[in-house]
Amino acid sequence: ETGVTQTPRHLVMGMTNKKSLKCEQHLGHNAMYWYKQSAKKPLELMFVYNFKEQTENNSVPSRFSPECPNSSHLFLHLHTLQPEDSALYLCASSQSGTGYEKLFFGSGTQLSVL
Amino acid sequence: AQSVTQPDIHITVSEGASLELRCNYSYGATPYLFWYVQSPGQGLQLLLKYFSGDTLVQGIKGFEAEFKRSQSSFNLRKPSVHWSDAAEYFCAVGAGGIQGAQKLVFGQGTRLTINP
Repeated sequence: ETGVTQTPRHLVMGMTNKKSLKCEQHLGHNAMYWYKQSAKKPLELMFVYNFKEQTENNSVPSRFSPECPNSSHLFLHLHTLQPEDSALYLCASSQSGTGYEKLFFGSGTQLSVL
Repeated sequence: AQSVTQPDIHITVSEGASLELRCNYSYGATPYLFWYVQSPGQGLQLLLKYFSGDTLVQGIKGFEAEFKRSQSSFNLRKPSVHWSDAAEYFCAVGAGGIQGAQKLVFGQGTRLTINP
């Protein structure tokens, strides 16, 4: 248990569906991240939030829409996805600071787009 | 741009044998380097990190890594592996802070299988 909880663990959706991934951290961290993990590819940073403000959007398609209502919760809203979006989506958090703090990862949501 | 290369996609070693996982990075300045481990069905967990100072760093679970600037490498080692070490291992380099948060660039990962 890392203190970062992601739901659901698995999600199957059609290309016309709308769904949301949820991430919650109980560590008192101020920075939260979404990563995409595809088979045989490096982890890709998608979004970064620091003190609820989005500070990084790594050229992610608009069919992925993040939301960070407070420092403890992070959502990823999904709509009109493509089959190539099937992947493991990992949420992480860290304590904001001037250097590189340890990232704490959730177990991920395995997404399958049909 | 920063990048990380893990040349070995999959490695198999016998239980009790020594292990070395390779990592090469590309970064213009002094790098911040990390090794993370991902067990099946889990997120990533930090094994160790290098920021500065002693080039041999110790981590959790008996792992260590050595930073070699001349080779742009940060290889992970363990003298004797255990069956529980079977997992995917990721090397990462810090690619700049983002207003107090951070940006890491990860390698492709090396999957470690342990033979009994």
